[in-house]
Amino acid sequence: DIVMTQSPATLSVSPGERATLSCRASQSAGSSLAWYQQKPGQSPRLLIYGASTRATGIPARFSGSGSGTEFTLTISSLQSEDFAVYYCQQYNNWPPYTFGQGTKLEIK
Amino acid sequence: EVQLVESGGGLVQPGGSLRLSCAASGFTFSPYWMHWVRQAPGKGLVWVSRINSDGADTDYADSVKGRFTISRDNAKNTLYLQMNSLRDEDTGVYYCVRDPPTVPELFDIWGQGTMVTVSS
Repeated sequence: DIVMTQSPATLSVSPGERATLSCRASQSAGSSLAWYQQKPGQSPRLLIYGASTRATGIPARFSGSGSGTEFTLTISSLQSEDFAVYYCQQYNNWPPYTFGQGTKLEIK
Repeated sequence: EVQLVESGGGLVQPGGSLRLSCAASGFTFSPYWMHWVRQAPGKGLVWVSRINSDGADTDYADSVKGRFTISRDNAKNTLYLQMNSLRDEDTGVYYCVRDPPTVPELFDIWGQGTMVTVSS
């Protein structure tokens, strides 16, 4: 199974600043990498797929990059609604589809 | 509006059974693969099971293989998860997730989830 490791576990950033979240795969995931946002009490929402393609309706301040084993989610200018938990997921080698443990993005 | 609505969760004793349902609306259900993903309280997301569009092909996480069965009824636009021999570690919110044929393996729409609690 491909193990996904996210860092940091918690990231404290001020509104208006840039946030950079990392995700590492234990073996190559190609470009088959997705990012999800989950707010408290809500279900996850797809942000990015194919490592860098924004899902429908996702603002341009969200961008994804990387391939193989190293991936990054960047939020260029944090808005209040962006503070949430973010998960990466690989779908290159399944089953199983595997998620990272999540990065909590909190207000500094 | 595209919607997935789960139901059937609740409190069950270890060793017991539950059947979850997921009603799909707002889109043509039959072409889509579907998944179940669970989340233990305060924990991350874990994929549980997948079913293809006609129900003939399925996959399971090792932790549920032999105990859980995924199925679907395309005439009723409904996905199911039969859960037997439940364990404490099966406790969590179970999400029904859509996987579109246009971009395979993409989890693009999630239901609101149904809570399963396994406890004596």
